[in-house]
Amino acid sequence: AQTVTQSQPEMSVQEAETVTLSCTYDTSESDYYLFWYKQPPSRQMILVIRQEAYKQQNATENRFSVNFQKAAKSFSLKISDSQLGDAAMYFCVFNRDDKIIFGKGTRLHILP
Amino acid sequence: GAGVSQSPRYKVAKRGQDVALRCDPISGHVSLFWYQQALGQGPEFLTYFQNEAQLDKSGLPSDRFFAERPEGSVSTLKIQRTQQEDSAVYLCASSLGSGFGAEAFFGQGTRLTVV
Repeated sequence: AQTVTQSQPEMSVQEAETVTLSCTYDTSESDYYLFWYKQPPSRQMILVIRQEAYKQQNATENRFSVNFQKAAKSFSLKISDSQLGDAAMYFCVFNRDDKIIFGKGTRLHILP
Repeated sequence: GAGVSQSPRYKVAKRGQDVALRCDPISGHVSLFWYQQALGQGPEFLTYFQNEAQLDKSGLPSDRFFAERPEGSVSTLKIQRTQQEDSAVYLCASSLGSGFGAEAFFGQGTRLTVV
């Protein structure tokens, strides 16, 4: 069975600084997707970034980028130039076929 | 619609009461998922539909939980004889494709409190 581990329950970062959220996962599959989703206090889950396992190039979306290490089964999220609106729970998500498996999340605080 | 809509947003049920939670997915979305999210935790998978077919219900915690999507659009999650451990936020998500690799769009959830 696939598992997703986020070892940092909470993190804080100064506004405008850079922060990296860690994620590791376990699977025997070679073809899958990985996502980072953001859940602000409003509870609306929002897609931040997506990575296909077959693509070696790390995905980027504006201030958000990932470091995907397939052999190490690691998928970290880097947020550059942190903004107050980035404060939220961040979930690392594994997707294979119809399975979408969430990690337990990292709560990110942005310090003004 | 513009997004995934869930109703009600909040539900308080007395222990033993039956509840029904509704999810209106984005029009045309094939896949629909239900998740249970306890306070401060990540969402836990409950069940998955592809159109009207319930292809995976392995996450339903007991036979008190039942989900349906009879016409391949609106879905209802029913919980019979609610218990306090059922208190959680229930999230619905839909995606355009089969669920593999497609972005899942989430509703704002229904917060169920069983007293």
